[in-house]
Amino acid sequence: SYELTQPPSVSVSPGQTARITCSGDALPNQYAYWYQQKPGQAPVVVIYKDSERPSGIPERFSGSSSGTTVTLTISGVQAEDEADYYCQSADSSGTVFGGGTKLTVL
Amino acid sequence: EVQMVQSGAEVKKPGESLKISCKGSGYSFIRYWIGWVRQMPGKGLEWMGIIYPGDSDTRYSPSFQGQVTISVDKSITTAYLQWSSLKASDTAMYYCARAGYNSPGVMDVWGQGTTVTVSS
Repeated sequence: SYELTQPPSVSVSPGQTARITCSGDALPNQYAYWYQQKPGQAPVVVIYKDSERPSGIPERFSGSSSGTTVTLTISGVQAEDEADYYCQSADSSGTVFGGGTKLTVL
Repeated sequence: EVQMVQSGAEVKKPGESLKISCKGSGYSFIRYWIGWVRQMPGKGLEWMGIIYPGDSDTRYSPSFQGQVTISVDKSITTAYLQWSSLKASDTAMYYCARAGYNSPGVMDVWGQGTTVTVSS
């Protein structure tokens, strides 16, 4: 079955740039989506169609794609960005989430 | 305001059946896919399946095919996730979300989640 691979954890200091990657063989041909989930809350989409940002999501969140890897970049990380982040995409067999990345703001 | 409102927490015994619900409002219900996502305690998100209320087209993750049933009643703008025989391993939080206009896509509006606890 299709898999999306994310690093389990990323740590950055406030004000720095955090980059979270997601790798999958079908990513060159399928859109990726990124979700933020804080403890005890439902996920929230922060990036859709690889690089589009929904209204209400701060400009410091951006997405990019290169080959089989998509990247969520958070510029000028703030304490409130500490959360779990999940990528989502699909292949011919269906849709999957990545395993999730815990972003820690030091 | 677009909302997805889920039914309340459930506590069940192994072998029992269960149907949880997700009511969509504030948008054209029949034109958006609705997806279901499982999150086991302390674990990540798992995509279970989606349904298109317009024609009830339903697609399941191979991991959940045959284990659950997704359905919809468009007359009351509500989607359902059901089990015929629960197992302890079904204990989890279950989320529904609006999941794409006409074709499957971004899960842009999420319900608050329904906690399902299965214990003897």
